[in-house]
Amino acid sequence: GAGVSQSPRYKVAKRGQDVALRCDPISGHVSLFWYQQALGQGPEFLTYFQNEAQLDKSGLPSDRFFAERPEGSVSTLKIQRTQQEDSAVYLCASSLSGGGRTDTQYFGPGTRLTVL
Amino acid sequence: DAKTTQPTSMDCAEGRAANLPCNHSTISGNEYVYWYRQIHSQGPQYIIHGLKNNETNEMASLIITEDRKSSTLILPHATLRDTAVYYCIVRVRGNDYKLSFGAGTTVTVRA
Repeated sequence: GAGVSQSPRYKVAKRGQDVALRCDPISGHVSLFWYQQALGQGPEFLTYFQNEAQLDKSGLPSDRFFAERPEGSVSTLKIQRTQQEDSAVYLCASSLSGGGRTDTQYFGPGTRLTVL
Repeated sequence: DAKTTQPTSMDCAEGRAANLPCNHSTISGNEYVYWYRQIHSQGPQYIIHGLKNNETNEMASLIITEDRKSSTLILPHATLRDTAVYYCIVRVRGNDYKLSFGAGTTVTVRA
């Protein structure tokens, strides 16, 4: 079956530009997560949605980062006024139910953002 | 939070079993041990998880010590496609939804 998809796979932005990264979770999955992975490091949690509700955004590094999931399915991570330190792979994951510790997260391939 | 400690890297021979250790000495209560792997340029892939008992699926086996302070992921017949970074993660009560990946173990399978 279809897994988590993300688009674009690669994005190059000039410093100061706004970008929008899209995530299509597995159909029917309630929970959706965004992670940021810097080069050579493990993914770091950014934010978590249960349906359309954003229950945790504690990992967003600054107020330039904004995520939404208006209809409880597709999600968009928006970064305003991009900076070079925003360069990373942005991973989206979804899980079937409420995100508890027995709920497996399935990841998309990620979007590699490069800010020049 | 329960933290995990893994070796930075390891090599193994194609066709042989790969045994990947993980220490989680502060694990407590109903905290699960999860393993994910990340092949180059892909998103993390779920492998297996367990609580107390040993677990096996089509990808791997997970052996958890009786005191739950450590575990071993076993890839029974490693192939070149198993070359990846392997992450051992403890899912912590109260922050269940956050996967804390750490640095993982870079496993290189050699022909």
